[in-house]
Amino acid sequence: QKEVEQDPGPLSVPEGAIVSLNCTYSNSAFQYFMWYRQYSRKGPELLMYTYSSGNKEDGRFTAQVDKSSKYISLFIRDSQPSDSATYLCAMSAVRRGAQKLVFGQGTRLTINP
Amino acid sequence: KAGVTQTPRYLIKTRGQQVTLSCSPISGHRSVSWYQQTPGQGLQFLFEYFSETQRNKGNFPGRFSGRQFSNSRSEMNVSTLELGDSALYLCASSLPGIEDTQYFGPGTRLTVL
Repeated sequence: QKEVEQDPGPLSVPEGAIVSLNCTYSNSAFQYFMWYRQYSRKGPELLMYTYSSGNKEDGRFTAQVDKSSKYISLFIRDSQPSDSATYLCAMSAVRRGAQKLVFGQGTRLTINP
Repeated sequence: KAGVTQTPRYLIKTRGQQVTLSCSPISGHRSVSWYQQTPGQGLQFLFEYFSETQRNKGNFPGRFSGRQFSNSRSEMNVSTLELGDSALYLCASSLPGIEDTQYFGPGTRLTVL
């Protein structure tokens, strides 16, 4: 079983819809949770960063972490065609020092105009 | 500020050959991590370097190696290439003290024939 599970999709929704992307994990040591967005032929770019449980909002994006359920989510409101990309969740047990981010498989999202 | 740069962007090799990939981190970033991305396995951690020392290593065979230079630039080497090594190889750099926030380069697409 993988440490981080993410539905690879693909997920296709109409423009303006609310998108929900999710990951589950098994390692209770994870404290730092990230969402990366990767456009075709590009490297991943950091979209959202959350520490421990709770919500964080940034414009149309909201990240939620539920450590008790080992479940994290990313919500995209008023989705735009430019949001079409692969979304990867990533997790880490520590913030400083030697790093090994553990990524989900990535969910391919398409927003249809 | 310039982002993470990787060279070359595309590479075609044959089985049994070796390859060296290069990564220049963002100025001031001292930690460099390498990842392999494939459709089947997703993003997998290879190794991380800081101040010319390997601090962390993923579960890859010894054919995969790396190094970091005094200017933080890093190289990774794969010897005796196999067909399964075909992948996008991503390099990421981070600032001292917040190594979990990683900035990715565009990657090197390696094809092994």
